[in-house]
Formats: sequence, C-alpha cells, structure tokens
Amino acid sequence: SQTIHQWPATLVQPVGSPLSLECTVEGTSNPNLYWYRQAAGRGLQLLFYSVGIGQISSEVPQNLSASRPQDRQFILSSKKLLLSDSGFYLCAWSVHARQGIDFGEGSWLTVV
Amino acid sequence: KNEVEQSPQNLTAQEGEFITINCSYSVGISALHWLQQHPGGGIVSLFMLSSGKKKHGRLIATINIQEKHSSLHITASHPRDSAVYICAAPYRDDKIIFGKGTRLHILP
Repeated sequence: SQTIHQWPATLVQPVGSPLSLECTVEGTSNPNLYWYRQAAGRGLQLLFYSVGIGQISSEVPQNLSASRPQDRQFILSSKKLLLSDSGFYLCAWSVHARQGIDFGEGSWLTVV
Repeated sequence: KNEVEQSPQNLTAQEGEFITINCSYSVGISALHWLQQHPGGGIVSLFMLSSGKKKHGRLIATINIQEKHSSLHITASHPRDSAVYICAAPYRDDKIIFGKGTRLHILP
C-alpha cells in the first residue's frame, strides 16, 4: 500500500535562517505531489505541485521554493525565512486528483 | 468568491445530535472529497464520491452533481468527532480546490 511521510514534524527557526521540509511517498510511481500551507484559522493554500521529476509549478509568489530530485521525493525550501512563513505545511500526493488525495502528517513551522 | 464554499464555518453541538455540514461548488467536477483534520493537524480522507450516498459508520456523505452540492452528516455525534471537516473538489488530473473547512465541536 502507498504511504506518505514528511519531516520534521515541528520546527522552530529564527528569521533569516534556511528551511528544508522533506516529503517521500512509498508504494507508487510518478505521483502528483503537492505542498500546502495552512495558516492559523485559514484553509489550505496550494504552494507548489509537481507532476514529475524536475517539474514544479508555483501557485503563489512567495519566499519558498520546491524541488523534486527523485520521483517520490518532494522538498520545500527557503533560503531566508520570514515571520510570515510560520504555519502548518502539508505534503500530499495523488495519482489523479479525481481519484483522491492523501496527506502527510504535516509540519508545524514557527519562525521567531 | 471561493469556488468551493462550506457552511457553517463553525458548529458547536451537544453529544448525540445529528450534524450536517454542507458544501457547494461552482467548478465542474465528477467527484467530491470529504476530509477530516484533527486538532493535531493530520488530515485523513473520509469519502470520495461521485453520486448518491456513501456511509461509513456514523458518517454519511451525499452528493448531487447536477446541483453542485454535497453534504456530510454525522449521526449520534460524539466529542471525538470534534475536528475540522473539509470538502475538496478535484477538477483536473492535478488540481484540487479546497473549501475553508467547518470547525465542529461536540460538547459532552
């Protein structure tokens, strides 16, 4: 069966420091991969999605970037964190969006 | 206007009450996804449905594709049902639009 993992689960980082959140999917190949952010009290905001290795689409301009170095690996990064980057970050995957989507455990990021 | 609208935004009810959460969407889709987000943040899939009704335990989801409306019902609600319930509309192979969620709080 397919599983998705992301880490770290919680992160407290100072303003201006770099960020790296990692997500891996097991049990499937060529998945669609997504990074979402959920700010306090708000809905899920799509940050990036990828339909294949090296193919990244950005939904909103921001301080973050994403990379997909391997088929089942999706990384969310920042060179210099801002206070406004704080939030809950979720990685997700799907074969086709119409067939549903599964989420990782999420990562709580607090920028101080 | 969000393409996927949920109501209510917040709902507090007593244990045992019948709960209904509504989702309306404006995009053309063939199926709808209901998700549950627990206080710790993790999101789990409840239902994926394209027509009629699906039931899992005390949870029932219905959808009317023509009217672009879906409902999630919880029978005999329990405090452990307290969570945020999110409907999501996949409208392309790679895109999903999420509602903002309904925060449900069941009082013992």
